[in-house]
Amino acid sequence: EVQLVESGGGLVQPGGSLRLSCAASGFTFSNYWMSWVRQGPGKGLEWVANIKQDGSEKNYVDSVKGRFTISRDNAKNSLYLQMNSLRVEDTGVYYCARVYSSSSGRAMDVWGQGATVTVSS
Amino acid sequence: EIVLTQSPGTLSLSPGERATLSCRASQSVSSSYLAWYQQKPGQAPRLLMYGASSRATGIPDRFSGSGSGTDFTLTISRLEPEDFAVYYCHQYGTPPYTFGQGTKVEIK
Repeated sequence: EVQLVESGGGLVQPGGSLRLSCAASGFTFSNYWMSWVRQGPGKGLEWVANIKQDGSEKNYVDSVKGRFTISRDNAKNSLYLQMNSLRVEDTGVYYCARVYSSSSGRAMDVWGQGATVTVSS
Repeated sequence: EIVLTQSPGTLSLSPGERATLSCRASQSVSSSYLAWYQQKPGQAPRLLMYGASSRATGIPDRFSGSGSGTDFTLTISRLEPEDFAVYYCHQYGTPPYTFGQGTKVEIK
């Protein structure tokens, strides 16, 4: 079964740090771009970052540039999101997602169940 | 940044009715990179359509997508009880890869 499982969420004070992990199984992890997407309480979806198969290319939404770092370990079939200098507005559910790409198109086709991050004093 | 604007914000319909959801982009999006997702409360999003008109694995054929350039549409031909949810369009062509604000399809 193709599966993504996030972990590492929790409560942190503003200015603090947190590291999210995403464990992949059921597919060849090293063949896919991977993404992080977040959703604030009662809000819509926001793409956060993505990373190429070999980790050589990364993209971020402007609001997290310089604070968040996406990385991966293909030997461990794992994706990570290091979040520093956290702000209240970073609160939400963070999903990892697999990026499917074919001649017909590109989209995020497999999603984890989400990890909850709460930034509050 | 490409802004995606979905309309209407909420669609109130009865089971069996047809639902038409719109997604308008602030600049042209390649059809290859326009997707639609369904999200139910407490659940992760689920991919419905990619490449604007290709159904994802396991998605029933009552769901269809169309459009090009800046105007895209998701159509649900006959609403089933399990289709009442929030729907998001998404462009994965130009970073940052933006989502629309969502259309809620609710039971009338």
